[in-house]
Amino acid sequence: DVQLEQPGAEVKTPGESLKISCKGSGYRFTDYWIAWMRQMPGKGLEWMGIIYPGDSDTTYSPSFQGQVTISADKSITTAYLQWSSLKASDTAMYYCARHWGGGLGALSPLDYWGPGTLVTVSS
Amino acid sequence: EVVLTQSPGTLSLSPGERATLSCRASQSVSSTDLAWYRQKPGQAPRLLIYGASSRATAISDRFSCSGSGTDFTLTISRLEPEDFAVYYCQQYGNSYSFGQGTKLEIK
Repeated sequence: DVQLEQPGAEVKTPGESLKISCKGSGYRFTDYWIAWMRQMPGKGLEWMGIIYPGDSDTTYSPSFQGQVTISADKSITTAYLQWSSLKASDTAMYYCARHWGGGLGALSPLDYWGPGTLVTVSS
Repeated sequence: EVVLTQSPGTLSLSPGERATLSCRASQSVSSTDLAWYRQKPGQAPRLLIYGASSRATAISDRFSCSGSGTDFTLTISRLEPEDFAVYYCQQYGNSYSFGQGTKLEIK
């Protein structure tokens, strides 16, 4: 079965760095784009960026460019979302999801989602 | 950037009724580049429908979508208790964007 595993929660203070993971299993990890989404408390979904683990090709939403770093380690079938200096406004649920592909690559819907990582940034 | 606007913000209906949810795009979107997701409280979103009208795996035929250009509709016939949730539309043909969501609540 296709699965995307994410840690449940992270608690950090402002200014700290953080790297959260998304481990794929049950499929060929290098062949499918992975997307990251933010959901702030009580709000909707925001697209942050995507990565192709096969060659680490990455595209960011203009809203998140320079604010986060998306990476992947194909040897351990894991994608990452990273901050160098967290702010209280980064408090949110972060989801990774797989693009369905079907020959369309990233121009396709998100068919499998991780359970999300709740990031809380508070002093 | 393609902005998706969903309406209504909240829809109050009873089980057994028919729900019609709207998604309007700020510029034309191909129907093959639009998807709908359902998010239940405390859960990740789940893909319902994509492309022109393809249902995802294990999704009931009570779900259907229609539309073209800038106006799209998700229809849920005969509402069941598990349908009451938040619904998002997403376009993936011109970068990526989500609508702000429609909450479907029990009346």
